[in-house]
Amino acid sequence: DAGITQSPRHKVTETGTPVTLRCHQTENHRYMYWYRQDPGHGLRLIHYSYGVKDTDKGEVSDGYSVSRSKTEDFLLTLESATSSQTSVYFCAIRRISGNTIYFGEGSWLTVV
Amino acid sequence: GESVGLHLPTLSVQEGDNSIINCAYSNSASDYFIWYKQESGKGPQFIIDIRSNMDKRQGQRVTVLLNKTVKHLSLQIAATQPGDSAVYFCAGPGGADGLTFGKGTHLIIQP
Repeated sequence: DAGITQSPRHKVTETGTPVTLRCHQTENHRYMYWYRQDPGHGLRLIHYSYGVKDTDKGEVSDGYSVSRSKTEDFLLTLESATSSQTSVYFCAIRRISGNTIYFGEGSWLTVV
Repeated sequence: GESVGLHLPTLSVQEGDNSIINCAYSNSASDYFIWYKQESGKGPQFIIDIRSNMDKRQGQRVTVLLNKTVKHLSLQIAATQPGDSAVYFCAGPGGADGLTFGKGTHLIIQP
């Protein structure tokens, strides 16, 4: 358990609406990540952060933005949701001392 | 860059038997690998890792074997139980997050 809480856990939204997913961690980890997981594609990195106000793009960042104004919170925003963004989204952290990434429980997003 | 991949998308085993899940990787310079377990509706959970200076590492009912000659690693689960039913995937170095993930093998336990 890496002290990660994702919210909401499940959401249905309409095409074209903005959506924000929140990742909250309680252990002061510096490195945080957002992934999406889809059948046939596995886990794909969307954005990541190495600290407050320090974020960068992953391999599938188009249509997504992130913000990290506090160490404990990493927000993922879909500015205008599309059906292709229907997916399971996982937040993750890396402890500074190792290579292992630890995942949250996921946020299931359906865009209709 | 690194790529990692599992040999089988699905593996069915009898309860009580040993399970072996295999993974191949491409970069001979890779120096660590990680195995994750993902149960339905949950996030991936760390199981065990191994560094390239090791051939074998054991945990509770799990063993990971690393064969650097053929760039292959395996996860062995002893005395498979119903709670072992999940998707298992390996990860190796690569990417902006430091890891490249395989796509997963779904382990099905037959009673």
